[in-house]
Amino acid sequence: AQSVAQPEDQVNVAEGNPLTVKCTYSVSGNPYLFWYVQYPNRGLQFLLKYITGDNLVKGSYGFEAEFNKSQTSFHLKKPSALVSDSALYFCAVRDEGNQFYFGTGTSLTVIP
Amino acid sequence: KAGVTQTPRYLIKTRGQQVTLSCSPISGHRSVSWYQQTPGQGLQFLFEYFSETQRNKGNFPGRFSGRQFSNSRSEMNVSTLELGDSALYLCASSFSLNYGYTFGSGTRLTVV
Repeated sequence: AQSVAQPEDQVNVAEGNPLTVKCTYSVSGNPYLFWYVQYPNRGLQFLLKYITGDNLVKGSYGFEAEFNKSQTSFHLKKPSALVSDSALYFCAVRDEGNQFYFGTGTSLTVIP
Repeated sequence: KAGVTQTPRYLIKTRGQQVTLSCSPISGHRSVSWYQQTPGQGLQFLFEYFSETQRNKGNFPGRFSGRQFSNSRSEMNVSTLELGDSALYLCASSFSLNYGYTFGSGTRLTVV
């Protein structure tokens, strides 16, 4: 079955340290991959996407993600975390049948 | 620029009734998609419209239907409501398919 996994429900990182939010997927073919962020009391916001091309994708707010086809992963990264990055992060995949699958979300807390 | 607007914000319905939710996309956006978000199942894709045509549909029963109008506004209808339909229903719009989506704040539906 097609699926998206975010193995960590919660990630804590100190301000200024690099952060990684993990995502792996099980989707046949060549999927499109997305990251969304949900700040408290606000709707989901698009961060970045991978369609094709360079495996390292840069997005909003200094975030980037690396597509790894062999490991079927699309981890979200940021070199230096800010307290304002604390939010809920969702990984999403669109398969070749144009079906969307979302991960269960990872709550990121950046500690001052 | 106004965001994605969903109305109503909150709705309480009785089991067996039907409900219509409305979504106004960002001006210029032609793609609208709908999602159901529940604590147990997370975010699940309902359907996607582009230029008044349903492009794809998630794994939901036929009680869930939608449509898109010529001005890109979209409605979602759920007939014969069940208790399990209680959820946050999110609408998202995009300039085109495979662009990142901008989400609305959602309509919280409670079925009693």
